[in-house]
Amino acid sequence: EAGVAQSPRYKIIEKRQSVAFWCNPISGHATLYWYQQILGQGPKLLIQFQNNGVVDDSQLPKDRFSAERLKGVDSTLKIQPAKLEDSAVYLCASSLDTDLTDQFFGPGTRLTVL
Amino acid sequence: AQSVTQPDIHITVSEGASLELRCNYSYGATPYLFWYVQSPGQGLQLLLKYFSGDTLVQGIKGFEAEFKRSQSSFNLRKPSVHWSDAAEYFCAVSHGSGNTGKLIFGQGTTLQVKP
Repeated sequence: EAGVAQSPRYKIIEKRQSVAFWCNPISGHATLYWYQQILGQGPKLLIQFQNNGVVDDSQLPKDRFSAERLKGVDSTLKIQPAKLEDSAVYLCASSLDTDLTDQFFGPGTRLTVL
Repeated sequence: AQSVTQPDIHITVSEGASLELRCNYSYGATPYLFWYVQSPGQGLQLLLKYFSGDTLVQGIKGFEAEFKRSQSSFNLRKPSVHWSDAAEYFCAVSHGSGNTGKLIFGQGTTLQVKP
């Protein structure tokens, strides 16, 4: 079974530029999560999708971050414009459903904002 | 609000020695508890989880953890550490009933293994 795929693995941009990350969850997984992991900290949930609907985006900085999962499968996370403090690893995870099901994580995208 | 505290930022143990990583949580009801491991350049891998029942749970790679409600703790243990266990370990908590699956992570403990 293929795992969660993410691309790119690394991205370096200058502040005020825009950037997009892509995630392909495990086939059949209805729930998709995007986490932000700043160096030295644990991951923090940015947004959670159930199929193509948003379940929780309470910690997503909506003035600059956006995410979509149009067909209930792949998802993209965008930052526009980026700030220095957005430098982090962005992790995508998926699970069969929300309740009592394991989350499987992708390798992450490491973003550096200069 | 829920929170997870991992008191030890960095731990060094000798290969073959026993290991205990501490985790304390703050949550009003019975939480769902998890331990994940993250190796450099890798995603998070689930080691074990506690939902209910037996408070001592067994996981992969020889790890176990014990849920102690009275101490609000969920410490991770391994009787004999291998060099390949060097990694970062995260404790996480999730809601109980009405679970949305959202995980709240601690800040992590980096494990270094000496030969």
